[in-house]
Amino acid sequence: DAGVIQSPRHEVTEMGQEVTLRCKPISGHNSLFWYRQTMMRGLELLIYFNNNVPIDDSGMPEDRFSAKMPNASFSTLKIQPSEPRDSAVYFCASKLAGGPGSYNEQFFGPGTRLTVL
Amino acid sequence: QKEVEQDPGPLSVPEGAIVSLNCTYSNSAFQYFMWYRQYSRKGPELLMYTYSSGNKEDGRFTAQVDKSSKYISLFIRDSQPSDSATYLCAMANTGGFKTIFGAGTRLFVKA
Repeated sequence: DAGVIQSPRHEVTEMGQEVTLRCKPISGHNSLFWYRQTMMRGLELLIYFNNNVPIDDSGMPEDRFSAKMPNASFSTLKIQPSEPRDSAVYFCASKLAGGPGSYNEQFFGPGTRLTVL
Repeated sequence: QKEVEQDPGPLSVPEGAIVSLNCTYSNSAFQYFMWYRQYSRKGPELLMYTYSSGNKEDGRFTAQVDKSSKYISLFIRDSQPSDSATYLCAMANTGGFKTIFGAGTRLFVKA
């Protein structure tokens, strides 16, 4: 099993540029999550999808951030325009949604380290 | 006030020591309590989880949840250098979707 795949692993860009992060969840998983991790704020949930539908995007910091999940095997997180304060590690995670009273593990990808100059 | 509070450390212990990691939380709706381990430059991995209150043991690891005090703990017995990592507590409400993570405690186990 390949696990959650993220690309690119590292991205360096200049302020004002558009950045697109990509994620391929584990096959068969029906929930997908985007997180951002920084030293100051820790691991923050940005948005999550269930069956390709965005359920909660209250963690998306600004309109500059957008996420899509066109099908069960692919999701993107886009930042346009990017700013230096967006520098962070962005993680994608997927899980198989469980029924009431159950918890299924979220599997995290290796992350994309974004640096905005 | 943050929903989940966790001391970021770092915590440095000698090999073989018992390690105690803790978190407090404010949202009484949380039902699932998890501990994730994150090695440097890797994504977090689930170590163990508990539903509602009580204890859970898995090898050298024991998780405790005290909902009356809104306090959770992870104990590591006979700590090993390979346990050196960041440990994040996490909590979720019914359905387990929206998971809130603590800041993570960096642990160093010295040989």
